Amino acid sequence: EDQVTQSPEALRLQEGESSSLNCSYTVSGLRGLFWYRQDPGKGPEFLFTLYSAGEEKEKERLKATLTKKESFLHITAPKPEDSATYLCAVRGFSGSARQLTFGSGTQLTVLP
Amino acid sequence: NAGVTQTPKFQVLKTGQSMTLQCAQDMNHNSMYWYRQDPGMGLRLIYYSASEGTTDKGEVPNGYNVSRLNKREFSLRLESAAPSQTSVYFCASSEGQSYGYTFGSGTRLTVV
Repeated sequence: EDQVTQSPEALRLQEGESSSLNCSYTVSGLRGLFWYRQDPGKGPEFLFTLYSAGEEKEKERLKATLTKKESFLHITAPKPEDSATYLCAVRGFSGSARQLTFGSGTQLTVLP
Repeated sequence: NAGVTQTPKFQVLKTGQSMTLQCAQDMNHNSMYWYRQDPGMGLRLIYYSASEGTTDKGEVPNGYNVSRLNKREFSLRLESAAPSQTSVYFCASSEGQSYGYTFGSGTRLTVV
């Protein structure tokens, strides 16, 4: 059974204070690791897909990296508009090829 | 705007009542999904449809039924609502296995 654990559950940063969110996963073969952003009262918004260890993706102040056991979402010089819940999900070879298993998320608050 | 549309946005039901949550996408995606999101538990897959004419159970299918009406529409039905089905329900679609999901804005359901 695929499992995803995200830490910390909540993170408060000052504007400009860089940090990282962690996503640890257990899968029987990784088909893909996905990062999403979710704003209050809205559906998750797709950010990145990573497929193999060593891969990195960037978008504005966000950079996602992947190892064989975990993924990090690095936030460089965050702004208040980066405040959201960040979700990590994996798709493994067990079960349905189309099913994603999600973590519980990290709630990020960036203070001005 | 292109995307996934869910109706209604809010609903209150009494225990034992039935209702159908509607979902439509205009991106010509083959796969569609229904998730529920509960505090501290992340997103859990209820049912999915890999393509028009097919549906399969996800992680938490009990108490729900689905219909893939055509390529655009995928509905979720609660036949006899229970308080344990109080949740936020998200519909999503994807182009294929390697792509991220596009989520709707959610339906907040309360069963009293």
